[in-house]
Amino acid sequence: DSGVTQTPKHLITATGQRVTLRCSPRSGDLSVYWYQQSLDQGLQFLIQYYNGEERAKGNILERFSAQQFPDLHSELNLSSLELGDSALYFCASSPGWGTWTEAFFGQGTRLTVV
Amino acid sequence: KNEVEQSPQNLTAQEGEFITINCSYSVGISALHWLQQHPGGGIVSLFMLSSGKKKHGRLIATINIQEKHSSLHITASHPRDSAVYICAVRPSYNTDKLIFGTGTRLQVFP
Repeated sequence: DSGVTQTPKHLITATGQRVTLRCSPRSGDLSVYWYQQSLDQGLQFLIQYYNGEERAKGNILERFSAQQFPDLHSELNLSSLELGDSALYFCASSPGWGTWTEAFFGQGTRLTVV
Repeated sequence: KNEVEQSPQNLTAQEGEFITINCSYSVGISALHWLQQHPGGGIVSLFMLSSGKKKHGRLIATINIQEKHSSLHITASHPRDSAVYICAVRPSYNTDKLIFGTGTRLQVFP
């Protein structure tokens, strides 16, 4: 158990809908990272938050947004969903950022858009 | 061209065999991670290294910074080692970022 909790584990929704994925980092970790893993693209970095502030942005679509709350949990919001958004979404947390920082991954949320 | 390349893409082995998975990268890095992803989907961090060699049980990871290359070795492989092994690097130009290889799918048969 990595200590990172993601909910829900599975989500099935229709095109055009909006969903929210939740991540609780390990106790004491200030950084939260979101990744998308689709069959044809492998793991892609979406966005990072550190202590409530957005720190780095990757290949995140404008239809997607995230935030980190004062209790350090994070939510990834996906809107106007398309079939191609079907993927595994992972959250990871780490104590800080940069060199020497280990990352601990959640079990992922499997999103299926039908 | 991907910044992180892994080989082979797929690997099958008999139980007990010695296994090597390779990772080459084209950017300067501050660290390299080896990750394991089981069929259920969860990702486990195996190693984080920036130089030399690390060992944990039957797993050994090495890195050669000058050659921009890392290897993951599994000694005395076992069916429970069947998983996807992913190499990921933290580039020096943005140490918050992880760039992932496409993974090596390993199947170990009894």
